[in-house]
Parts: sequence; C-alpha cells; structure tokens
Amino acid sequence: EPEVTQTPSHQVTQMGQEVILRCVPISNHLYFYWYRQILGQKVEFLVSFYNNEISEKSEIFDDQFSVERPDGSNFTLKIRSTKLEDSAMYFCASSELPSTEAFFGQGTRLTVV
Amino acid sequence: GESVGLHLPTLSVQEGDNSIINCAYSNSASDYFIWYKQESGKGPQFIIDIRSNMDKRQGQRVTVLLNKTVKHLSLQIAATQPGDSAVYFCAESPNTGNQFYFGTGTSLTVIP
Repeated sequence: EPEVTQTPSHQVTQMGQEVILRCVPISNHLYFYWYRQILGQKVEFLVSFYNNEISEKSEIFDDQFSVERPDGSNFTLKIRSTKLEDSAMYFCASSELPSTEAFFGQGTRLTVV
Repeated sequence: GESVGLHLPTLSVQEGDNSIINCAYSNSASDYFIWYKQESGKGPQFIIDIRSNMDKRQGQRVTVLLNKTVKHLSLQIAATQPGDSAVYFCAESPNTGNQFYFGTGTSLTVIP
C-alpha cells in the first residue's frame, strides 16, 4: 500500500538553528500539506502546496517557515531560527485531489533545546 | 479561525460494545469531513469521510452521521475491539480551501 514517508523520525536541534524536515508524498498525489501537533494538543494546519507553489497557509506559517519541492519526489519544510515552542510532531500529508482523503506520514518529532 | 471541537475528551467502552464519538464544528462553509484515528506515536489514519450533501455514510464497522442543522458529526464504531483504542479526531474542510481543521480529539479506551 502506498504511503507517505517522513525523515527523520526524530530531530533534536538547538534553539536558533535551522532544520529541514523531509517528506516523500504518495507518487500520484498532487496536493501536499504540512501539519504540526504540539504534545497533547490537536493537529494544526500549517500549509498546503500545489503546482509548485503554496496554495494556502495558516497564521502559524510565518516567515520562519518555508516549503519546497526540490525534485519530483521530495517535499520539505524548513524552519529557520528554531524556537523552543517549535517543538512538536510535524506531519506531512498528501492527497490526489483537493478536499479528498489526505494520507499522513508517521511524523517527525522535532525537539528544540 | 474555524473551530472544531469534541464533546468528550475521553471515552471508555467494554469490548464488544458500540462506541459513539461526537464532534461539533462551527464553520457552516465546511463541506467535507473526515474522521481520523491516531495511535500513539503515529500519524493520523483515515477512517471514514462524508460530504455535506450526505447525512450518513457507512464503512466496515464504522458509521459517520452528519447533522448540518446543528453542525454536529458523530462516529459510531460497532463491536468495539481493543485495537480500536486510540485518539479519534474529526476534521473539517471548508469549501473555500483544501486544508483540514482538526478537533481536539477523543481518547477511546476499550476495556477487554
């Protein structure tokens, strides 16, 4: 069964450093998403991406964040100058069409120390 | 922003009983809803979806009911099994976009 894969599974970084979280969406999907989940809280939308550009973003997704599809398979989330409050699980998701079932990866646990 | 919330944060049921998990949403423009299951340390897993032109949809052991009048969504799990123990999230998608807004989650515990 096709799945969304994310690497690394756990990333520890020092405050102020930059991190790149990587995702390989399902191959025939065209819509890509990043969500985050702070421990014990709900899953929050960050950004959606289609046709090599951001289609929607939330208030959380400020200038500290950026996304990129550097090649035909990877979808990355870059967080610049990480803060302690960026510590969370970051989930990548993809869907074939808009407003259809989004498949989620297993997540990357980001710990900022 | 949109508000999607759950009535109960925790639910415990006996194995074999039916479970009902409820969700309230606030955005009348939402036209697509999904129930996700999240096990510890894993990403959300799709269970069942429903569009706003329907009020009921059935899957294998699961049924989703949508009441647009009161903006309420429920997930019914028949013959609950220990493997059903997880956190269940409802998520809504507005007709103006393709992102999902998640509720706070209900933790379901199945007692053997």
